[in-house]
Amino acid sequence: AQKVTQAQTEISVVEKEDVTLDCVYETRDTTYYLFWYKQPPSGELVFLIRRNSFDEQNEISGRYSWNFQKSTSSFNFTITASQVVDSAVYFCALSEAETSGSRLTFGEGTQLTVNP
Amino acid sequence: DADVTQTPRNRITKTGKRIMLECSQTKGHDRMYWYRQDPGLGLRLIYYSFDVKDINKGEISDGYSVSRQAQAKFSLSLESAIPNQTALYFCATSDPPGASGRGNEQFFGPGTRLTVL
Repeated sequence: AQKVTQAQTEISVVEKEDVTLDCVYETRDTTYYLFWYKQPPSGELVFLIRRNSFDEQNEISGRYSWNFQKSTSSFNFTITASQVVDSAVYFCALSEAETSGSRLTFGEGTQLTVNP
Repeated sequence: DADVTQTPRNRITKTGKRIMLECSQTKGHDRMYWYRQDPGLGLRLIYYSFDVKDINKGEISDGYSVSRQAQAKFSLSLESAIPNQTALYFCATSDPPGASGRGNEQFFGPGTRLTVL
């Protein structure tokens, strides 16, 4: 069965610090998809990124970057020069293409607080 | 206008009452999902539907039922609400993997906060 672990329940940083959110996953499928979502205090879920299992290229989007390593089953998310507006709960999620009909399994989330 | 809408946004009800939460989407996606979010537990899948005639149970379907009235509409019902169904409920939609050259990322509605007293 698929599983996602976000070991960091809460992280608190000061503005402009870099912060990395960890995500470790378990799957028996060879084809799968990994996602990050942001949930700000307003409550909506915002899609940030999708990564396919066959594409291990890291990705950078502005202050956000993602490091996907199949060897360690990890898909970590780094925010560079954090800002107060980055304060939110961040969820990592996994979708198996073959065995689970592309349903998403979410980690428990990491609450990030960026203090001014 | 929002692509995925949910009604109501907030609801307080009493134990034993029947409740329906509605979801509509304008994204043209075939796949729709219902999740609940509880503090510290992330999101858990209740039901999902890959098209109007295809409805499947998720990991926590007991106490819930769904109806896919059309491609764009997917309703979640609590036949007899109980207090431990107090939660934030999300509807989501997606394409299948690879459709239109995109992946199967899910797009979420704004959520319905349900309180069962």
